[in-house]
Amino acid sequence: DGGITQSPKYLFRKEGQNVTLSCEQNLNHDAMYWYRQDPGQGLRLIYYSQIVNDFQKGDIAEGYSVSREKKESFPLTVTSAQKNPTAFYLCASSIDGGRSYEQYFGPGTRLTVT
Amino acid sequence: AQKVTQAQTEISVVEKEDVTLDCVYETRDTTYYLFWYKQPPSGELVFLIRRNSFDEQNEISGRYSWNFQKSTSSFNFTITASQVVDSAVYFCALSDSNYGGSQGNLIFGKGTKLSVKP
Repeated sequence: DGGITQSPKYLFRKEGQNVTLSCEQNLNHDAMYWYRQDPGQGLRLIYYSQIVNDFQKGDIAEGYSVSREKKESFPLTVTSAQKNPTAFYLCASSIDGGRSYEQYFGPGTRLTVT
Repeated sequence: AQKVTQAQTEISVVEKEDVTLDCVYETRDTTYYLFWYKQPPSGELVFLIRRNSFDEQNEISGRYSWNFQKSTSSFNFTITASQVVDSAVYFCALSDSNYGGSQGNLIFGKGTKLSVKP
C-alpha cells in the first residue's frame, strides 16, 4: 500500500527540548513538504524539498530544521528556538516540485509542548 | 499578492441538502492551478480535485461538482444531497509561481468547516 507515514500521531515534549517528527513515503515522489496547521487556520509551509540533499525554507522556517538524505524520508526537527511549537504538523509529497501536481498528505503529528 | 479566501468559516446543513463552499483567489499569474482538499476529523488531507487556469469547464464527480470562473476568480465546490460522511473541513488551495520558477508550493485558504446533521 503506497502512502505517507508520520509518526507518532501524538507527541508531548517539555519546553526547551528539541523534537524530531518523522515522515516517510513509499510513493517514489521527488518532492516533499512540511506544513503547520493551527486551529482555525489554513496550512502554512515550513520547509520543502524538491530532490534529495536539497531543501528550501517556506514561509515559517524559523525554529525548524530538516534533512533530506534519502528520497523517501524528510524528518522535521522542532528546535527550542521555535516560540510556539504546539501545533498539528502535516507532511506531504508530490511527484515532483512542479506546480501542476497535487500533493498527498500523511496523517499528521499533533505536537504539544508544555 | 497571491491569496486564497474562503469566507465561510462554518456551514451547517441537514442531510440531503445541497451545499456550496466558496473559494476566491488572487494571483498575477496567467498559469496557475487550483485544488480542493478534504480534512476529515482524523486530520489527514485528502485530495479532491485539481483545475488548471486554462480549463474553465465545470467538473462533476458523483455528488461533487466544481464551478471555476476566471472572470470572478472563483472556484466553488458544491456537494449535492449531502451526507453525514461529508462532515469535514474543506480547503481550497492555489499553486502558482509565488516561490519562483515552477515550484508547486500551495497557498491554502483557511478552510470551511462543514457539518452535516442527520
